[in-house]
Amino acid sequence: NAGVTQTPKFQVLKTGQSMTLQCAQDMNHEYMSWYRQDPGMGLRLIHYSVGAGITDQGEVPNGYNVSRSTTEDFPLRLLSAAPSQTSVYFCASSQNTGGTEQFFGPGTRLTVL
Amino acid sequence: DQQVKQNSPSLSVQEGRISILNCDYTNSMFDYFLWYKKYPAEGPTFLISISSIKDKNEDGRFTVFLNKSAKHLSLHIVPSQPGDSAVYFCAAWPGEYGNKLVFGAGTILRVKS
Repeated sequence: NAGVTQTPKFQVLKTGQSMTLQCAQDMNHEYMSWYRQDPGMGLRLIHYSVGAGITDQGEVPNGYNVSRSTTEDFPLRLLSAAPSQTSVYFCASSQNTGGTEQFFGPGTRLTVL
Repeated sequence: DQQVKQNSPSLSVQEGRISILNCDYTNSMFDYFLWYKKYPAEGPTFLISISSIKDKNEDGRFTVFLNKSAKHLSLHIVPSQPGDSAVYFCAAWPGEYGNKLVFGAGTILRVKS
């Protein structure tokens, strides 16, 4: 099993550009989520999904869109990048929505100039 | 308003001694608590968890203690090893009251050899 994979590992964008961060898992997990990590802020939830076709907002959803057309994939779209979105982004998955272990991807480091 | 707080940004411990990482929370509805460990340039990995109905959970060198009346939990690492040097995140799950895992800001642990 590859676990949770994320692409790209690094990305530099200009203000106003759009892009999609890819996330895939091969563990047949129902629950997937996106976090951003900023210094002193810990991990903050952006969006999450409890299954294919179902998504919901987390703590900091503005400026981001998600969709979940398959169990395996959960892409995160930045609609119009802003410098405030410079961060490290982590995708995670878990078997269910309970307080179970979440498996994290290696992260995408995004810089918006 | 941070619901999960890790008030010590960093901790330095001598190899072989005990490391104690602390976490406070404000929401008494949290049902489950988890600790994650993160190395630089990697995603967080699950370390240990505890249900709100318990006050202690042990896994090898790692023990988590929960004091519900004080809304406080702690992670004890005994004995500490240089490989334990990482960022440790405390997280809380609201159970039936929500699907969102809430993270603290993290504590950087340095174990000196």
